[in-house]
Amino acid sequence: DAGITQSPRHKVTETGTPVTLRCHQTENHRYMYWYRQDPGHGLRLIHYSYGVKDTDKGEVSDGYSVSRSKTEDFLLTLESATSSQTSVYFCAITSRDTDTQYFGPGTRLTVL
Amino acid sequence: TQLLEQSPQFLSIQEGENLTVYCNSSSVFSSLQWYRQEPGEGPVLLVTVVTGGEVKKLKRLTFQFGDARKDSSLHITAAQPGDTGLYLCAGAHNNNDMRFGAGTRLTVKP
Repeated sequence: DAGITQSPRHKVTETGTPVTLRCHQTENHRYMYWYRQDPGHGLRLIHYSYGVKDTDKGEVSDGYSVSRSKTEDFLLTLESATSSQTSVYFCAITSRDTDTQYFGPGTRLTVL
Repeated sequence: TQLLEQSPQFLSIQEGENLTVYCNSSSVFSSLQWYRQEPGEGPVLLVTVVTGGEVKKLKRLTFQFGDARKDSSLHITAAQPGDTGLYLCAGAHNNNDMRFGAGTRLTVKP
């Protein structure tokens, strides 16, 4: 257990509305990540953070923004949700000194 | 196009059978991880392999990293219903460039 929580765990929203997902960690890890998981695609990196206020884009960043104002919280925002953003979103952290990533329980987002 | 190809995509076997799933790529990785994911949960790390040719065992699971560090296999001996799940491989170039395969969905019938 890497001390990662995600909120909300489930959300249904309508096209065009803003949505923010939260990832919270309790172990002071420097690196945090947001992925989406879709059938046939596996996990794809959206954005990641390497420190407070330090973020960068991943493979599928269009339509998403992130913020990290303190070490323990990494927020993912969909400014104007679209149906193609219906997915399961996972937050992850990297354990110190290794490549190994540990995942949160996920947020299932449905955009109608 | 998936950077990491996993095969088979789906596998349904009877309890007690052996199985092997594969993870292949044209890229060289600094390390490769295997995860198992159950419905409604996040992936859980099973093993990390780092050295080409490395073999790691975890009870009935045997993981092998290819000599060239481009591919890996997971072998399960005497599968049990509790092994049912989605098995994901992930190759890392560095902390910020980890690529996942689409997974092998294993069902073990009692």
